[in-house]
Amino acid sequence: DQQVKQNSPSLSVQEGRISILNCDYTNSMFDYFLWYKKYPAEGPTFLISISSIKDKNEDGRFTVFLNKSAKHLSLHIVPSQPGDSAVYFCAASDRGSTLGRLYFGRGTQLTVWP
Amino acid sequence: DGGITQSPKYLFRKEGQNVTLSCEQNLNHDAMYWYRQDPGQGLRLIYYSQIVNDFQKGDIAEGYSVSREKKESFPLTVTSAQKNPTAFYLCASSTMTGADYGYTFGSGTRLTVV
Repeated sequence: DQQVKQNSPSLSVQEGRISILNCDYTNSMFDYFLWYKKYPAEGPTFLISISSIKDKNEDGRFTVFLNKSAKHLSLHIVPSQPGDSAVYFCAASDRGSTLGRLYFGRGTQLTVWP
Repeated sequence: DGGITQSPKYLFRKEGQNVTLSCEQNLNHDAMYWYRQDPGQGLRLIYYSQIVNDFQKGDIAEGYSVSREKKESFPLTVTSAQKNPTAFYLCASSTMTGADYGYTFGSGTRLTVV
């Protein structure tokens, strides 16, 4: 049972435009959310995170929005650049749990074309 | 520089053979994890360990085994019982609080059964 869902396997955006990647979760105990970026044949790298006490976190061109009532978060990339082309994974955790594990979505392949 | 080292980067195995994937970290992290990535499947948790000499099965542990004799090392053995071992394997580590700050990932091992 997938607790974190990324329903769009792929997204194609023109350079300079906004990329919006979406993520839904089912577990109401999740209180910390992260986005990872992954290039082929490499490990994922941390991009940005947000705690459930916030509804927005911004870091340069990247902004994550959290809507707790809808159990939905999104990653906005503005402006998009060709180097942003990668797979983006959404992840969530319940920091009150002793297990300390992240739950990942299946990823969205972002392609930014010139 | 601290980080996680996975070796080898590419590994070929004959059917019926066991192989061991190495994962070493010098981040002084307590928790370590093994994930498997398949196309369209995202990251699936195989095993994880929160302290030395202790580990738990993840979501797809069948056909795999691990050990955690040292804090720095968490090797994964892919046994002949694993029916479809060809995949990209990722090792990760985190602080004892687990997902407070997310994971640090290694660069992965591509295993191919020939």
